[in-house]
Amino acid sequence: GAVVSQHPSWVICKSGTSVKIECRSLDFQATTMFWYRQFPKQSLMLMATSNEGSKATYEQGVEKDKFLINHASLTLSTLTVTSAHPEDSSFYICSAKDPNKAYEQYFGPGTRLTVT
Amino acid sequence: AQSVTQLDSQVPVFEEAPVELRCNYSSSVSVYLFWYVQYPNQGLQLLLKYLSGSTLVKGINGFEAEFNKSQTSFHLRKPSVHISDTAEYFCAVRSTGNQFYFGTGTSLTVIP
Repeated sequence: GAVVSQHPSWVICKSGTSVKIECRSLDFQATTMFWYRQFPKQSLMLMATSNEGSKATYEQGVEKDKFLINHASLTLSTLTVTSAHPEDSSFYICSAKDPNKAYEQYFGPGTRLTVT
Repeated sequence: AQSVTQLDSQVPVFEEAPVELRCNYSSSVSVYLFWYVQYPNQGLQLLLKYLSGSTLVKGINGFEAEFNKSQTSFHLRKPSVHISDTAEYFCAVRSTGNQFYFGTGTSLTVIP
């Protein structure tokens, strides 16, 4: 089946620094990818929709200047958390839509971000 | 707008007993419904999905779900659970814009 990878799987950064998370579709081209955030013991909250070659669409309440999304190719989307603060600590999960399968998305394994 | 409600945040069940995890949705348009499982510190794995057709959907690991349009429900069931089924389960609805909206999750704990 389709595989989506994320890198890194786990990152610790200091408050005020920026961190980049990569999401790759390994065996298919994804024109659309999605970024989710998950707090401990809670559900996934959609942050933004990433479209290849165009600006991301952010959900209400998500700061686009803080969570920069770049979908530079059909297999790679990146999420950069700028000027990170401890409250940004969370589990970030991406998913990718396979254009050949209209109703399905494939989820990455997630990235655990801890801001100290 | 779509939304998903999972009524039970935690469900303990004895090994080999049946289990039902409840999910209700609200949507003003046709829905596509999904159940995912998440093991600790991992991403989501698709259990099953309803797109159209038969309202009884069978998925992996012996799980099945029934789409009930009149009750706007999509409950997940398994006739006999195993220890390895202990995980977090999420119900989700897909919007017309391809975004997924998730319920708050149900933590299933299988007791030996």
